[in-house]
Amino acid sequence: ETGVTQTPRHLVMGMTNKKSLKCEQHLGHNAMYWYKQSAKKPLELMFVYSLEERVENNSVPSRFSPECPNSSHLFLHLHTLQPEDSALYLCASSQRAASSYNEQFFGPGTRLTVL
Amino acid sequence: GDSVTQMEGPVTLSEEAFLTINCTYTATGYPSLFWYVQYPGEGLQLLLKATKADDKGSNKGFEATYRKETTSFHLEKGSVQVSDSAVYFCALSTGNTPLVFGKGTRLSVIA
Repeated sequence: ETGVTQTPRHLVMGMTNKKSLKCEQHLGHNAMYWYKQSAKKPLELMFVYSLEERVENNSVPSRFSPECPNSSHLFLHLHTLQPEDSALYLCASSQRAASSYNEQFFGPGTRLTVL
Repeated sequence: GDSVTQMEGPVTLSEEAFLTINCTYTATGYPSLFWYVQYPGEGLQLLLKATKADDKGSNKGFEATYRKETTSFHLEKGSVQVSDSAVYFCALSTGNTPLVFGKGTRLSVIA
């Protein structure tokens, strides 16, 4: 595997379910990100991890819980979601979290539908 | 704070037409500038970048020049193809924050 991978690619869940999204990067990067992309809305940065430490949390509801066990893996745990949380969730990685040369590499995304 | 403004879409062009997607930015310091492309059903991919004033990024026939005097980084392509249909995002990066993205511009190219 190369680049950034995400699983599952598609997920349908009920509002009372608990599920997790997984992201893995094979690029040797030190920073990882979760973004939410909804139809007709700008790309929203949710969480940033740098060297496994959360450095940014953009007022995301507590029903979204990130976890970064090591610099290659990032999870987004989902609990008691709402239908408006249906979106494409994108994972990305970069060499560092804040840099003037901060090219990010994205995974293909997980398309989440909350019923 | 830092921000990116790009033209509203959607943009619809005929094949072989000339493309311009405008992008302007506000930033403290000297940012690096990027264009990302998102094809249907996929994540974002870096299309091109420029790290200092007057640099020109280019890839797959697309070009953008870092204009410090006008704080702009407009994307251009001389002859678009149906396969260029996608959403294009302008973005900037400074030493203080992760990437700041524009809202995206959807391009549809018809044969």
